[in-house]
Amino acid sequence: GQQLNQSPQSMFIQEGEDVSMNCTSSSIFNTWLWYKQDPGEGPVLLIALYKAGELTSNGRLTAQFGITRKDSFLNISASIPSDVGIYFCAGHPNTNAGKSTFGDGTTLTVKP
Amino acid sequence: GAVVSQHPSWVICKSGTSVKIECRSLDFQATTMFWYRQFPKQSLMLMATSNEGSKATYEQGVEKDKFLINHASLTLSTLTVTSAHPEDSSFYICSASAAVGTEAFFGQGTRLTVV
Repeated sequence: GQQLNQSPQSMFIQEGEDVSMNCTSSSIFNTWLWYKQDPGEGPVLLIALYKAGELTSNGRLTAQFGITRKDSFLNISASIPSDVGIYFCAGHPNTNAGKSTFGDGTTLTVKP
Repeated sequence: GAVVSQHPSWVICKSGTSVKIECRSLDFQATTMFWYRQFPKQSLMLMATSNEGSKATYEQGVEKDKFLINHASLTLSTLTVTSAHPEDSSFYICSASAAVGTEAFFGQGTRLTVV
């Protein structure tokens, strides 16, 4: 089946720094999604991308759908302590399938 | 909008008993619901996809008779872990999607501990 490679696996940064993480796939996706999961909670949708090349922002978060449709990145600017958590990318292979493939997650730690 | 509620948030049960977990879409109709299992520090593992009114589609390696899924209405899906064993202890999460190919919204998860 399809696999997503998400990197980095973990990040330790200082409060105020910018963060970048990305996902790559060997196959094409038509939708890319980015989620954040806090401990003991379900993932929360941050950004949804539906078009190749699309760049979308949500507050301090910015995500892009790669032109090749095989990658996506998420940037967080001016990190704050509450950004701590696990970030997952997910991709839909086509618009007729509701099933997402998830990356392995990036664990973010922000030091005050 | 797009709220998915999962119940219970946590449950402890004895080995050999069955446990039912509910997943409800509160403010939209979910044509498709997904059930995931997550081990500590790992990603979400899709167990099955359920469409309202039809049988669930299970991922390879997931026992249908062990994990019973029912999607009786457009706002409710249930996962029943039958004859639970300690190795079934995990974090179970559902998600719901209003239309095929659109984003799915997650419930808050259910922590199952089998003793």
